[in-house]
Amino acid sequence: DADVTQTPRNRITKTGKRIMLECSQTKGHDRMYWYRQDPGLGLRLIYYSFDVKDINKGEISDGYSVSRQAQAKFSLSLESAIPNQTALYFCASSPGDGRGLNEQFFGPGTRLTVL
Amino acid sequence: GESVGLHLPTLSVQEGDNSIINCAYSNSASDYFIWYKQESGKGPQFIIDIRSNMDKRQGQRVTVLLNKTVKHLSLQIAATQPGDSAVYFCAERRDTGRRALTFGSGTRLQVQP
Repeated sequence: DADVTQTPRNRITKTGKRIMLECSQTKGHDRMYWYRQDPGLGLRLIYYSFDVKDINKGEISDGYSVSRQAQAKFSLSLESAIPNQTALYFCASSPGDGRGLNEQFFGPGTRLTVL
Repeated sequence: GESVGLHLPTLSVQEGDNSIINCAYSNSASDYFIWYKQESGKGPQFIIDIRSNMDKRQGQRVTVLLNKTVKHLSLQIAATQPGDSAVYFCAERRDTGRRALTFGSGTRLQVQP
C-alpha cells in the first residue's frame, strides 16, 4: 500500500466551485506539505504544516486554504476555483528535524482542471 | 532574489554512459541541497542530499558535487540505465526560518537505447 495517498486522482470542475483535495499518510510523519506543479515549472509550495497545530503559508497560498485534521491527514481547499488553478497537485510528508526534512515522501498527485 | 534553476531543460544520453545534470543556485545561505527524481505519472522521489559544508557525496550510482565558489550543484549518474529516464529537480533548504524546500524547474533526462 502507498505511504502517501491523495484523493481524488483526477478532478474536472467549473469556475467558482469549491474543491477539496485530500491527503493521508501512514508514515507517522509530523510534517506535511501541499505543492502545485505546472508544465515546465518545478514544484511550488502552497502550504505546509509542521504539526497538527502549526500551519504555514508557502510561496503561493492565495486562493487556497488547508486543514490538518489529524497527524495523518492534510487537506487542501480551493474556495472558489479559477482556471489558472488548473495544475497537478502533490501532497508530501517528511520526518521531523534536521536532515529528515530533506527527504519528503510524495503522493501520486491530483490532476485538477478548472473550466 | 533567491532562485534555484537549471542550465538545460532536456538531456539525452546513451544507455551505459554517465549523465551529468547541472543546477545553479543564488542563495548562498542554503544549508542543504537536494536532488529529486520524478518519473512520468508519479510524485517526486528523493535521491540524495548534500550539506553546504561538503563538496561531494556519493550514493548508489549517483554522486552530487557542490561548488560553492560558483554556486553550482551537479548530479552525476554512472552507467545510465533506461530506468533513469525522468525529470530531475534540484532543491535547497535552510535550517532556519521556513525550513521548507525550494525546488528548481527540472531537467528531463532521456536515455537512448
